[in-house]
Amino acid sequence: DAGITQSPRHKVTETGTPVTLRCHQTENHRYMYWYRQDPGHGLRLIHYSYGVKDTDKGEVSDGYSVSRSKTEDFLLTLESATSSQTSVYFCAIHPSSGSGANVLTFGAGSRLTVL
Amino acid sequence: QKEVEQDPGPLSVPEGAIVSLNCTYSNSAFQYFMWYRQYSRKGPELLMYTYSSGNKEDGRFTAQVDKSSKYISLFIRDSQPSDSATYLCAMSDRGGSNYKLTFGKGTLLTVNP
Repeated sequence: DAGITQSPRHKVTETGTPVTLRCHQTENHRYMYWYRQDPGHGLRLIHYSYGVKDTDKGEVSDGYSVSRSKTEDFLLTLESATSSQTSVYFCAIHPSSGSGANVLTFGAGSRLTVL
Repeated sequence: QKEVEQDPGPLSVPEGAIVSLNCTYSNSAFQYFMWYRQYSRKGPELLMYTYSSGNKEDGRFTAQVDKSSKYISLFIRDSQPSDSATYLCAMSDRGGSNYKLTFGKGTLLTVNP
């Protein structure tokens, strides 16, 4: 998966508990993204980062926060998980050099179930 | 109206068939058009990438973009069972948008031996 590692790959948690998903990249890319994928909705952008400590909201950011304290790690936090946040979460990176300028590369996904 | 519309299918075809997958969009600022393939329980992987209008061919796959109609297509010739997957169209405007992609909902394709 092009140097992208997501952890955990699977998690089951209870409503109201905090959850943090981690995305780690090994290639020093500037741009990183968190998407969620749900049946009937496709992939939707939650938050993205364009550098260390530089983040911005996507279309479905409510209930989520992110942090990027170093280039290689982008964390997604659910402060108080709800059942509506049961989903598959994908991290993506933008390879900011070379051809295919607007192409994203995705990780393998983190499957979260909130009971 | 969503920015990108894609028929979710499912679409089932016999091996060897020609498959046509399509998306329409409403944002005239979109310049970059992509098709991703996603196998079950895997991450999306880039299949085809096109900038602006025109056709692009890669083996059995052809991507077409018609910006005047705001319509993109992916054709798969001589389809194989290994092509069974969900196909996602994605698009974005110029790089100034921080390279964010907007996706269609995906079309589930099954190619039967």
